[in-house]
Amino acid sequence: AQSVTQPDIHITVSEGASLELRCNYSYGATPYLFWYVQSPGQGLQLLLKYFSGDTLVQGIKGFEAEFKRSQSSFNLRKPSVHWSDAAEYFCAVGSRGSQGNLIFGKGTKLSVKP
Amino acid sequence: DAGVIQSPRHEVTEMGQEVTLRCKPISGHNSLFWYRQTMMRGLELLIYFNNNVPIDDSGMPEDRFSAKMPNASFSTLKIQPSEPRDSAVYFCASSLGDFTDTQYFGPGTRLTVL
Repeated sequence: AQSVTQPDIHITVSEGASLELRCNYSYGATPYLFWYVQSPGQGLQLLLKYFSGDTLVQGIKGFEAEFKRSQSSFNLRKPSVHWSDAAEYFCAVGSRGSQGNLIFGKGTKLSVKP
Repeated sequence: DAGVIQSPRHEVTEMGQEVTLRCKPISGHNSLFWYRQTMMRGLELLIYFNNNVPIDDSGMPEDRFSAKMPNASFSTLKIQPSEPRDSAVYFCASSLGDFTDTQYFGPGTRLTVL
């Protein structure tokens, strides 16, 4: 079955520290991968997406993600976290045959310590 | 652009009542998505329209749920009769059309069914 797993429900990092949020997927077709961020009381905003080509993808707000086919992973990274990055982060997967149906992970809540 | 607009932002109703959630997509977008977000199940796609036509409604939980898109600038999600287990945040999102396009989310409607 198609699925997206975000193993970490909640992560706390200190401001200025590096961040890595994990995402693993199980998908039969060629996956198209997305990371979204949700601030409290807000809708989701796209951070970055990967379809093909360079496996290291740059996104907004200084985020990047690396697609590793052999590990079925698409981890999100940021070298230095800011207090404003505190939010919930969602990994999602889709494919050309999915007609727009994205499967979302359960999310990882990020807290930032001053 | 004002972004995706949803109304109401909060809805509290009693079990058995009809609930109508409204969405105005971004002008020029051809695809519209309705999602439901709960703590238990995360973010789930309910239905997806393309050019006002429902493409995939496999996520609609049961016959009590219905969605319409009478024109390119308006969609409704109706629950009749509502039940306490329908309590969730309902998001509307729109995109230019292809599944690879970024989905822009509205702020959501928080529904509480007593």
